[in-house]
Amino acid sequence: DAGVIQSPRHEVTEMGQEVTLRCKPISGHNSLFWYRQTMMRGLELLIYFNNNVPIDDSGMPEDRFSAKMPNASFSTLKIQPSEPRDSAVYFCATLADSIEAFFGQGTRLTVV
Amino acid sequence: ELKVEQNPLFLSMQEGKNYTIYCNYSTTSDRLYWYRQDPGKSLESLFVLLSNGAVKQEGRLMASLDTKARLSTLHITAAVHDLSATYFCAVYGQNFVFGPGTRLSVLP
Repeated sequence: DAGVIQSPRHEVTEMGQEVTLRCKPISGHNSLFWYRQTMMRGLELLIYFNNNVPIDDSGMPEDRFSAKMPNASFSTLKIQPSEPRDSAVYFCATLADSIEAFFGQGTRLTVV
Repeated sequence: ELKVEQNPLFLSMQEGKNYTIYCNYSTTSDRLYWYRQDPGKSLESLFVLLSNGAVKQEGRLMASLDTKARLSTLHITAAVHDLSATYFCAVYGQNFVFGPGTRLSVLP
């Protein structure tokens, strides 16, 4: 398995633009997490899906952020409109009932 | 709400020395994870601890879990420079919450 795949790896966008981050989980992993990492706030859990259903989205900062998991092999995190304070590294992680949890390589987002 | 704390947050140690990183968490959980992150990289899984008293070792790192005390430790034996990184513990309960990380620098 290629592991958790995130795209794009880097994204630079202008304030106000829509940004979509993508994650392909490891096959068979039924839980998926989106995290944001910054120097100031560390690793923040944004949203958690189990079997494609959002379980906890209390970490989503505001209505500008939305996440979907239309099927077991794909998830998106969308920011619309983007702001400079959204600049961070966004990680997707997936976990199976068999316990192991793995992270993708992350998307480094810069909003200018 | 599940909270995870680590200490110390910063650790500078000399090669060859031993030290322990502590991870405390606020609610009952049966899964405790340790990860390593190098600058600019993703998080790499080190250990998964699943029961009270669990102990796992890999090279110079050993992790243990005390679920009654809600405490996990990551012990470093005879540190080497290659261990310099940030170490995170994470607790899986109703969600998957990470501690703030311990930035370790091993000096020659």
